[in-house]
Amino acid sequence: EIVLTQSPGTLSLSPGERATLSCRASQSVSSNSLAWHQQKPGQAPRLLIYGASSRATGIPDRFSGTGSGTDFTLTISRLEPEDFAVYYCQQYGSSPYTFGLGTKLEIK
Amino acid sequence: EVQLLESGGDLVQPGGSLRLSCAASGFTFSSYGINWVRQSPGKGLEWVSVISRSGDTTYYADSVKGRFTISRDNSRNTFHLQMNSLRAEDTAVYYCAGIALGRWGQGTLVTVSS
Repeated sequence: EIVLTQSPGTLSLSPGERATLSCRASQSVSSNSLAWHQQKPGQAPRLLIYGASSRATGIPDRFSGTGSGTDFTLTISRLEPEDFAVYYCQQYGSSPYTFGLGTKLEIK
Repeated sequence: EVQLLESGGDLVQPGGSLRLSCAASGFTFSSYGINWVRQSPGKGLEWVSVISRSGDTTYYADSVKGRFTISRDNSRNTFHLQMNSLRAEDTAVYYCAGIALGRWGQGTLVTVSS
């Protein structure tokens, strides 16, 4: 089973700042099958990034994903108030399709 | 517009069974697989199962293997998750989600309690 370790656990930033979230896999993720999801309180998650770097339909271009193999990064270039949420990475390259524990992005 | 709509969540006793459904619309149903993902109260996301677009490949998390069965009904554009031998630790909101679709459903709550 691939274990995904997300860091930091909590990130405190201000609107307008740049956010960098990390997701490290315990072994190489097949075909860079790595997704990022955003979840706000009381809501269903939303897919942001798939294939490590492709934005899902309707996702603003301030969200970008990079990385390959075992190290992946989600960057939010300039934080908007609606971006404060919990972010999960997920690998779907090999079963079981595991999630990280999440990074909570909070307003400083 | 792509839509996924879960239903079937309920309060059930330990050892009981439940069948969840995920009604799909807005895309060519037979071209996509789907995942079931759950979230226990106050916890993170846990992947449960996936079915391929053809239906001939399925995978399960160890925590549900042998108890849950994923399936698809191409005539009704619906995915199902049959859950048997339910335990208290299965209590969660269950979501269907398609990465290739770029879409999550809104979730359905399953509570296992006596």
